[in-house]
Amino acid sequence: AQSVTQLDSQVPVFEEAPVELRCNYSSSVSVYLFWYVQYPNQGLQLLLKYLSGSTLVESINGFEAEFNKSQTYFQLRKPSVHISDTAEYFCAVSANSGGYQKVTFGTGTKLQVIP
Amino acid sequence: DVKVTQSSRYLVKRTGEKVFLECVQDMDHENMFWYRQDPGLGLRLIYFSYDVKMKEKGDIPEGYSVSREKKERFSLILESASTNQTSMYLCASSSAGESPLDEQFFGPGTRLTVL
Repeated sequence: AQSVTQLDSQVPVFEEAPVELRCNYSSSVSVYLFWYVQYPNQGLQLLLKYLSGSTLVESINGFEAEFNKSQTYFQLRKPSVHISDTAEYFCAVSANSGGYQKVTFGTGTKLQVIP
Repeated sequence: DVKVTQSSRYLVKRTGEKVFLECVQDMDHENMFWYRQDPGLGLRLIYFSYDVKMKEKGDIPEGYSVSREKKERFSLILESASTNQTSMYLCASSSAGESPLDEQFFGPGTRLTVL
């Protein structure tokens, strides 16, 4: 079984300030980790994913995520946010379950960037 | 450009009506998924399909059924809509069936209101 916890349901932050979104997970098997973003009135889209290797993953729009296997977290960070980053962010874990892909999503964190 | 489309962005139905939500993907993906998204609960898997005419229950299948007659199309059916099925419904697709690394591609969502 696997689970994902996003403790912060809402995170307000001023424009150009740094932000960190927390994600904790638990699983009895090896997992792969994802961050998805949902902009207002849109579906989810992939932001970045951790497969293996370096514990720091970068995306093309300035976000990065740190994977910590021992403490089971996958934190999303951005050193300076823009108004356009206002969205809901979902952490997800994926693992093989009975030969199929099983993805479990967190409850989401709404990032509100304040001008 | 990959695309998942959903038949309606907004839908209003009355209690007891039969409701069809349609999803089409143009990526030749084997896997398709239906989720519902509710505030504070994140995404919850209703049903998924790994092949034509194949379906598997997700975490909350009660009150729903699905149909996959063609590879590109996955339909969600509410046999008798109830007010507690008012929600945002998201369709997703992904390639292969055994790799947990494959990201899911989401449609824009259908916001269903049952009165």
